[in-house]
Amino acid sequence: AQSVTQLGSHVSVSEGALVLLRCNYSSSVPPYLFWYVQYPNQGLQLLLKYTSAATLVKGINGFEAEFKKSETSFHLTKPSAHMSDAAEYFCAVSRGSSNTGKLIFGQGTTLQVKP
Amino acid sequence: EAQVTQNPRYLITVTGKKLTVTCSQNMNHEYMSWYRQDPGLGLRQIYYSMNVEVTDKGDVPEGYKVSRKEKRNFPLILESPSPNQTSLYFCASSLLGLAGAINEQFFGPGTRLTVL
Repeated sequence: AQSVTQLGSHVSVSEGALVLLRCNYSSSVPPYLFWYVQYPNQGLQLLLKYTSAATLVKGINGFEAEFKKSETSFHLTKPSAHMSDAAEYFCAVSRGSSNTGKLIFGQGTTLQVKP
Repeated sequence: EAQVTQNPRYLITVTGKKLTVTCSQNMNHEYMSWYRQDPGLGLRQIYYSMNVEVTDKGDVPEGYKVSRKEKRNFPLILESPSPNQTSLYFCASSLLGLAGAINEQFFGPGTRLTVL
């Protein structure tokens, strides 16, 4: 079955430091991979998505993610953290064919940014 | 403005009292879905719909019903709510992509449900 694992439920970085949030998916190559962000008391919004075009995907707010098939990973990075990046981040995978309609989310990673 | 709306935003009810949470989208999306969010568990899919009159179970469908009579609406029905259904619920919609895979989803603001 398709699955998504986010390593680390809480990540803490200092303002200006590199942000790295990890996501691994199960071995079947998915058509789409996503990162969503949830700010406190809000719904989810899309940060970026991979759709089998470029393996390095750029999203909003300076975030990017790299699809690595050999590592079955889709880690999210940002070179320099800002206080406003504090939020919960979700990795998700969508797959067509036999798994049509199902979207699998990781457990989420809460990013804390310290001044 | 393109959006997904949910009502109510907050609801406190008692065990066994039937309730409906409405969801509506104005983007002409084929796909709609309901999720529940619980601490430490991320988002879990309850039900989804690939188009009008087409619905299917997600990972946690027990205790819930849905219907899709019109493209824009996808209500979530709890016939006999129980305390373990206390949660934050999100509705989402999207276009469909390759081989029916789900593309970017647009989420509603959430409904916080408490069942006493």
